[in-house]
Amino acid sequence: RKEVEQDPGPFNVPEGATVAFNCTYSNSASQSFFWYRQDCRKEPKLLMSVYSSGNEDGRFTAQLNRASQYISLLIRDSKLSDSATYLCVVTDRETSYDKVIFGPGTSLSVIP
Amino acid sequence: DGGITQSPKYLFRKEGQNVTLSCEQNLNHDAMYWYRQDPGQGLRLIYYSQIVNDFQKGDIAEGYSVSREKKESFPLTVTSAQKNPTAFYLCASSITIGGGEQFFGPGTRLTVL
Repeated sequence: RKEVEQDPGPFNVPEGATVAFNCTYSNSASQSFFWYRQDCRKEPKLLMSVYSSGNEDGRFTAQLNRASQYISLLIRDSKLSDSATYLCVVTDRETSYDKVIFGPGTSLSVIP
Repeated sequence: DGGITQSPKYLFRKEGQNVTLSCEQNLNHDAMYWYRQDPGQGLRLIYYSQIVNDFQKGDIAEGYSVSREKKESFPLTVTSAQKNPTAFYLCASSITIGGGEQFFGPGTRLTVL
């Protein structure tokens, strides 16, 4: 089983739609969780951290379910500019450092 | 402006040649990383450095080498021993190793002919 798994998509949704992505992780002791956004042929950029209580930033809502070992990202009222690949990121405590693990990403295309 | 830079953006090399990719940051971050990204795949860690004069192998270090002589700089050399070097290479930094947000450079797209 891969350490971090995501549905690769692509997700093709119309403008204004609500779309949700899930990400599962294999290590129950994973400590920190993030969503990054990567535009085509560009570098990843942090979208939001994911907290145990869940958190919201405008149209974006992130949730963490430790019992089931998954995190989710909900995008409401999708915009054309939301088209990108969304990377789930998990950190695991190793003996001397926090190992950062990137998921393969989920591709989103918002269609006019 | 604070940030992380990589050069060049595109690089073409003949098979069998070593090539060095540049990565510089002025964010005063201790930790730096090199990743490789292939089409349709996630980022894979090549090397990381927690502090100056220290670096460790990541998951796919074979055929690569790095140095960290200055806090600001973490160059990556792709050697002729790397069997499939054509890829998108991303450098990143963070305040401490694994600590919170990683800031990425714009990447270098290496093509070996």
